[in-house]
Amino acid sequence: SAVISQKPSRDICQRGTSLTIQCQVDSQVTMMFWYRQQPGQSLTLIATANQGSEATYESGFVIDKFPISRPNLTFSTLTVSNMSPEDSSIYLCSVGYGYTFGSGTRLTVV
Amino acid sequence: GQQLNQSPQSMFIQEGEDVSMNCTSSSIFNTWLWYKQEPGEGPVLLIALYKAGELTSNGRLTAQFGITRKDSFLNISASIPSDVGIYFCAGQGGGSEKLVFGKGTKLTVNP
Repeated sequence: SAVISQKPSRDICQRGTSLTIQCQVDSQVTMMFWYRQQPGQSLTLIATANQGSEATYESGFVIDKFPISRPNLTFSTLTVSNMSPEDSSIYLCSVGYGYTFGSGTRLTVV
Repeated sequence: GQQLNQSPQSMFIQEGEDVSMNCTSSSIFNTWLWYKQEPGEGPVLLIALYKAGELTSNGRLTAQFGITRKDSFLNISASIPSDVGIYFCAGQGGGSEKLVFGKGTKLTVNP
């Protein structure tokens, strides 16, 4: 199965700033998925990223707030923009329709 | 939208005991998945179920895909301290490839 390297593993950010999270996969994959896990909660799909096309966002998530890049078949980034404390969560990337997850980015916004 | 009800929310057990947790839904799923998440890590897939009635084991873990396709359970036998973590169920299907996750069962094992 694929191996995902996700970074940063954690960060503490000031409100109003942006953070870009990176995921590198050790094999080519068509689709990558980005999830949010709020404190003590389950995983919620943010968007699906295909290489060469715009990401598809789930209800409640918008491109201006969570822009995604997918420049090739092994890499994707998620940016959390104009952060507020409510954005404090674990952000995870996934491939294989959720069969493999990165280790997550624990974001705290102060 | 689709929702999964996972229970129990948490469990405190003694080492050596067996554990059972389950997920139910009002929607039909074509695939059921069970994950374990440890602190600071992403979820790790434990068992995947693809067929109604399917019973699958992975070491001390056993999971079943309910006949109605609306439920699944996970059993852990002879628990050990390293079983500690949060266990999530997830369903896939019903016209969508997206995963729907349960809220998790937090397992604590006392040595």
